[in-house]
Amino acid sequence: EPEVTQTPSHQVTQMGQEVILRCVPISNHLYFYWYRQILGQKVEFLVSFYNNEISEKSEIFDDQFSVERPDGSNFTLKIRSTKLEDSAMYFCASSEPGPSYGYTFGSGTRLTVV
Amino acid sequence: KNEVEQSPQNLTAQEGEFITINCSYSVGISALHWLQQHPGGGIVSLFMLSSGKKKHGRLIATINIQEKHSSLHITASHPRDSAVYICAVPPNRDDKIIFGKGTRLHILP
Repeated sequence: EPEVTQTPSHQVTQMGQEVILRCVPISNHLYFYWYRQILGQKVEFLVSFYNNEISEKSEIFDDQFSVERPDGSNFTLKIRSTKLEDSAMYFCASSEPGPSYGYTFGSGTRLTVV
Repeated sequence: KNEVEQSPQNLTAQEGEFITINCSYSVGISALHWLQQHPGGGIVSLFMLSSGKKKHGRLIATINIQEKHSSLHITASHPRDSAVYICAVPPNRDDKIIFGKGTRLHILP
């Protein structure tokens, strides 16, 4: 069964450092997403990406965050200058056109900012 | 106001019991997702439904669009069913989905 692959599974970084979280969505999916889950809280939407541009972003997704699909297969989330409160599990997901089609989630990247 | 409400928040049951988890939502939706999150953190999609009922093995999901309510049932529950079960909806025609807080299920052997 097709999978969404995320790397790394766990990343520890110092406050103020840049991190890049990587995702390989399912190849025939057209919508790509990043969500995050702070420990003990619910999963929150960060950004959706379609047709090589951001289609929607949440208030959390400020100027410190950016997304890119550099080579047609990888989908990356960059955090420019990490803060302690960025520590969370970050999930990538992809879907066929629109939310009426099923989502597939990656297994997540646990980011710890120290 | 939470757009997605789940109940109960926590549920402990004996192996073999019939489990029901409820989800109510306040937004207009095109489909509703039931997801499972294991202690390791990964999220697995169980169902996506827009009407009626779906069944997969011991799992059954139902939705009532008029009442804006969905239920997830587990028959003959087993300790390996222990996980957090999450209801999530796409508000209106947005492509993002909004998550409920989840129901933490613990099945005792």
